[in-house]
Amino acid sequence: KAGVTQTPRYLIKTRGQQVTLSCSPISGHRSVSWYQQTPGQGLQFLFEYFSETQRNKGNFPGRFSGRQFSNSRSEMNVSTLELGDSALYLCASSLEQQSGELFFGEGSRLTVL
Amino acid sequence: GESVGLHLPTLSVQEGDNSIINCAYSNSASDYFIWYKQESGKGPQFIIDIRSNMDKRQGQRVTVLLNKTVKHLSLQIAATQPGDSAVYFCAENIGWGGSYIPTFGRGTSLIVHP
Repeated sequence: KAGVTQTPRYLIKTRGQQVTLSCSPISGHRSVSWYQQTPGQGLQFLFEYFSETQRNKGNFPGRFSGRQFSNSRSEMNVSTLELGDSALYLCASSLEQQSGELFFGEGSRLTVL
Repeated sequence: GESVGLHLPTLSVQEGDNSIINCAYSNSASDYFIWYKQESGKGPQFIIDIRSNMDKRQGQRVTVLLNKTVKHLSLQIAATQPGDSAVYFCAENIGWGGSYIPTFGRGTSLIVHP
């Protein structure tokens, strides 16, 4: 069974640009959640999608958005990038609602210059 | 490999020793706790979980202890191996709108010396 796949693995952007990250969950998993990981703040919850609906959202500005498609694949978008958005963005999937056992991808490493 | 956190608490042990990683959580309403392991360059991996109606749970070579009185969680790893070297996170979960929202601790870096 394939794991959670995130693309791209690495990307470099400049301030003011926007970025879209993609996540393919484990087959059969309907919940997808996104996290930002930085050395300063650790792992922080961004949002969670279930059946194409955003069910929960963390404390991030509106520049951070996401969506989920009917096949459970998810994308997140960050607009008007800031230097502080440089981070590892992790996607996790779970079978039903956001349960404890989250299956994480390897992340997308975003560098904003 | 990548560093997932600067200035993390670090625990250094010898191969074969037992390791104890501690975590303090903040919300007394948290009712579900998980430990994750993150190896360099990878995403976190679920290790073991415990619900608030329990104070101990054992897995293969790992034991989680929960002390709700002092809001403290610990992960014990028996006979630590070099492959256990990683950053370990605890996560407290609070039920919200039908799902759980995890709050992750800052992590502890475990270094196992052969």
